[in-house]
Amino acid sequence: AQSVAQPEDQVNVAEGNPLTVKCTYSVSGNPYLFWYVQYPNRGLQFLLKYITGDNLVKGSYGFEAEFNKSQTSFHLKKPSALVSDSALYFCDSNDYKLSFGAGTTVTVRA
Amino acid sequence: EAQVTQNPRYLITVTGKKLTVTCSQNMNHEYMSWYRQDPGLGLRQIYYSMNVEVTDKGDVPEGYKVSRKEKRNFPLILESPSPNQTSLYFCASSLQREGRNEQFFGPGTRLTVL
Repeated sequence: AQSVAQPEDQVNVAEGNPLTVKCTYSVSGNPYLFWYVQYPNRGLQFLLKYITGDNLVKGSYGFEAEFNKSQTSFHLKKPSALVSDSALYFCDSNDYKLSFGAGTTVTVRA
Repeated sequence: EAQVTQNPRYLITVTGKKLTVTCSQNMNHEYMSWYRQDPGLGLRQIYYSMNVEVTDKGDVPEGYKVSRKEKRNFPLILESPSPNQTSLYFCASSLQREGRNEQFFGPGTRLTVL
């Protein structure tokens, strides 16, 4: 079984600064890892996923994530945050009996 | 357009009055699931279905029922709603749950039980 953890409930950054949202995983076997974003009053949207291959995965809205096997991490990153990136972010692994956690609330201030 | 639809989007009801929230996907996905989202508790899985006629409990199944008679639909049934079922509900689907397939989420149903 796989599981993920997001150690930060909230991340606050200034617009234009780099944004990192952390995710660590525990895994038996090959990890399949995903990031989703939930904008206010919306459903979750898929951002990107790691299946295999290149450790740097690029996704929607300028986001990318780096798979780090030695640190068992899959942190979401954006080089220059926008106010519109303010949202709730969820890391996920494809374990069919796993609920999402509380996610990480990102606030980007102007 | 590939999508997951839910109806109704908003519902206010009273304790004990049976209700059904519909979920439909047009992507021929095998896997479908229901989540509820509550402040500070994240998204908790209620029920999931690996395929037609195959359903199983998630983390918080009490007070809910589901059925999967056809691939595209996965209704959530509250036989006797109670105030603690006031929540934001999401339906999701994916090609298959295990492995490399991302989930597609519906827009959500905000349920208030008085």
